[in-house]
Amino acid sequence: GAGVSQSPSNKVTEKGKDVELRCDPISGHTALYWYRQRLGQGLEFLIYFQGNSAPDKSGLPSDRFSAERTGESVSTLTIQRTQQEDSAVYLCASSLGWGSDQPQHFGDGTRLSIL
Amino acid sequence: AQKVTQVQTEISVVEKEDVTLDCVYETRDTTYYLFWYKQPPSGELVFLIRRNSFDEQNEISGRYSWNFQKSTSSFNFTITASQVVDSAVYFCALSLLSGGYNKLIFGAGTRLAVHP
Repeated sequence: GAGVSQSPSNKVTEKGKDVELRCDPISGHTALYWYRQRLGQGLEFLIYFQGNSAPDKSGLPSDRFSAERTGESVSTLTIQRTQQEDSAVYLCASSLGWGSDQPQHFGDGTRLSIL
Repeated sequence: AQKVTQVQTEISVVEKEDVTLDCVYETRDTTYYLFWYKQPPSGELVFLIRRNSFDEQNEISGRYSWNFQKSTSSFNFTITASQVVDSAVYFCALSLLSGGYNKLIFGAGTRLAVHP
């Protein structure tokens, strides 16, 4: 079966523009996660979805960041009024459930560059 | 505090050498899981192994082996007879059930370069 799919693969945009990143999780995976990875650094947790609700938004860096999920399917991460410090790879992961034994399966990421 | 520290930032070896990537974690939870992920140049994180806090048996999978020692809070990863295809960034991660969900705390990663 298909893995986690993210689009676009790359996005270059001007500072101040809004961007929308998409994640299609593995079919049947109820849990979905967004992470940010700055160049040469580890993964920074952004937000988690359990079904279509987001019990933990604590990782969102500012109110310019928002995310939503439709059912147990597609999720979109929106960044409004982008800043240069938003440049990073945004990774999406999904897992079958939300137990701590569940490995998260990652997509290839969206590389976002803000000019 | 919950934290994962990957001791080496970068390691460079010549093909066929053995290499160990060290991971030290901190948590007060008694039940947790530890993971290793590989991130090749293509960017996708690939799940390698999961170990729960109650199972200290070492594990071997081909050229890969993992040594989990609860007494020292370490979960080290050894690649035997390294190959160029092993070149990647490797992440150690700690998984806790926090607030009802799987919270994955990553280390900063170790970049491994295997030269021919």
